[in-house]
Amino acid sequence: KNQVEQSPQSLIILEGKNCTLQCNYTVSPFSNLRWYKQDTGRGPVSLTIMTFSENTKSNGRYTATLDADTKQSSLHITASQLSDSASYICVVSPYGNNRLAFGKGNQVVVIP
Amino acid sequence: EAGVTQFPSHSVIEKGQTVTLRCDPISGHDNLYWYRRVMGKEIKFLLHFVKESKQDESGMPNNRFLAERTGGTYSTLKVQPAELEDSGVYFCASSQEGVSRKLFFGSGTQLSVL
Repeated sequence: KNQVEQSPQSLIILEGKNCTLQCNYTVSPFSNLRWYKQDTGRGPVSLTIMTFSENTKSNGRYTATLDADTKQSSLHITASQLSDSASYICVVSPYGNNRLAFGKGNQVVVIP
Repeated sequence: EAGVTQFPSHSVIEKGQTVTLRCDPISGHDNLYWYRRVMGKEIKFLLHFVKESKQDESGMPNNRFLAERTGGTYSTLKVQPAELEDSGVYFCASSQEGVSRKLFFGSGTQLSVL
C-alpha cells in the first residue's frame, strides 16, 4: 500500500469555481509535506512546502493545509483557471532521509 | 537561468539493448536525484547524489541500472540490458543544500522498451 494516498483520483470543474484535493499519508516521522503541479509532458513544479509544524501555506490561488495529528493535507484551488488543468501531486519527505514518498496525483481538468 | 534539462525526451529501444539517459542539473545545485514513474503508479525514488558521491541508491531496482555523476555536474543513468518492465518516465531533479529545499524537476525521459 502506498504511503501517500490522494483523492479524488480525477475531477472536472468549471472555470472560476473552487476545488479541494485531499492527501492522506502514513509516513512518520516526516520533515515536510509538499504539493507539486505537473502539466502534461512536463516535470513536477513545486507549489508549497510545509514543515510538520506548519498548518497552512499559500501560493497565489493555491492554499495547502496540514494536520499532522490526523496525517492529512489538502490543496485548495480558488477561482480556477484553464491553466490549472494538471496533475497535483502530494509528496511527503521522511525525517532522516531524502527518499520522498509520492502520491499518484489528483488529475484536475478545468473546463470553460 | 536554465532549469534542469534531460536528454533524450523520448527513447524507444528493444529488450536487451542499452540506453543512457542524461541529466544536467541547475548550476550550483549539489543535490541531484533520479526518479521513475511506471505507468499507473506513483513516482518513485531511485537514487541521490551529493556532488559526485552517491548519498543513497536504495531505490535502484537492480544491477542493470548504473548511475554516475563524474565531476559533480551532469549525471547519466544507464540501463543495460533493458527489460520490458524498465519502461516508464525517468525524472531528474536537483536542489540546493538542505532537507526542505525546493526540488526542481526536469521534463523527464519517456523510455519505452519493446
